[in-house]
Amino acid sequence: QSAVTQSPSTSGTPGQRVTISCSGSTSNIGRNPVTWYQQFPGTAPKVLVYRDNQRPSGVPARFSASKSGTSASLDISGLQSEDEADYYCAAWDDSLTGWVFGGGTKLTVL
Amino acid sequence: EVQLVESGGGSVKPGGSLRVSCAASGLNFNTAWMSWVRQAPGKGLEWVGRFRRDPDGVSRDYAAPVKGRFTILVEDSRNMMHLQMNSLKSDDTAVYYCTSDLEWANFYWGQGTLVTVSS
Repeated sequence: QSAVTQSPSTSGTPGQRVTISCSGSTSNIGRNPVTWYQQFPGTAPKVLVYRDNQRPSGVPARFSASKSGTSASLDISGLQSEDEADYYCAAWDDSLTGWVFGGGTKLTVL
Repeated sequence: EVQLVESGGGSVKPGGSLRVSCAASGLNFNTAWMSWVRQAPGKGLEWVGRFRRDPDGVSRDYAAPVKGRFTILVEDSRNMMHLQMNSLKSDDTAVYYCTSDLEWANFYWGQGTLVTVSS
């Protein structure tokens, strides 16, 4: 079982808001910053949010994230068809001494 | 602009060895911390290992599934990181990405190189 868990899939319609959740523990999310990655098929992941809630330049403001305790969430508002992708959360795990990734959530835009 | 370019992937038999490499540019490699992350076909992301720099030099951390079999090599003179993989298993089949680690994230990624372990 992964140290960080995510729901395997979610879906929404254009314009809708969706939330992707990520659950960890006190040795990872509860202690260290969370990163969210977006990955399209056949391409490398890209940082969407880092340090819990910071967006790199170029990432639209409709992507936002938060963290509380050992859980984190990514909100996507004004859903667009091009948001259809896999989303991963990750954090450094002090007990495992390594990065731990959630299993990924596949977002389908209906 | 940070660029990471992996190379060296290919097919190898179980029990065999392979070295994949990552050439970095656009960053100060002499102070960089970097990781290898892999993704098996149709699966999620899995961290493999990293090197970090501390006052004593370069230290390395590895994920449990690869510890003792994989070694990260750092070549500062050429701005390169290598992953030497020994005793390969079918479970090691994956796309291997190198990343530049900063801001508590695997911030920059290469395009990946595919390693296939099969008889």
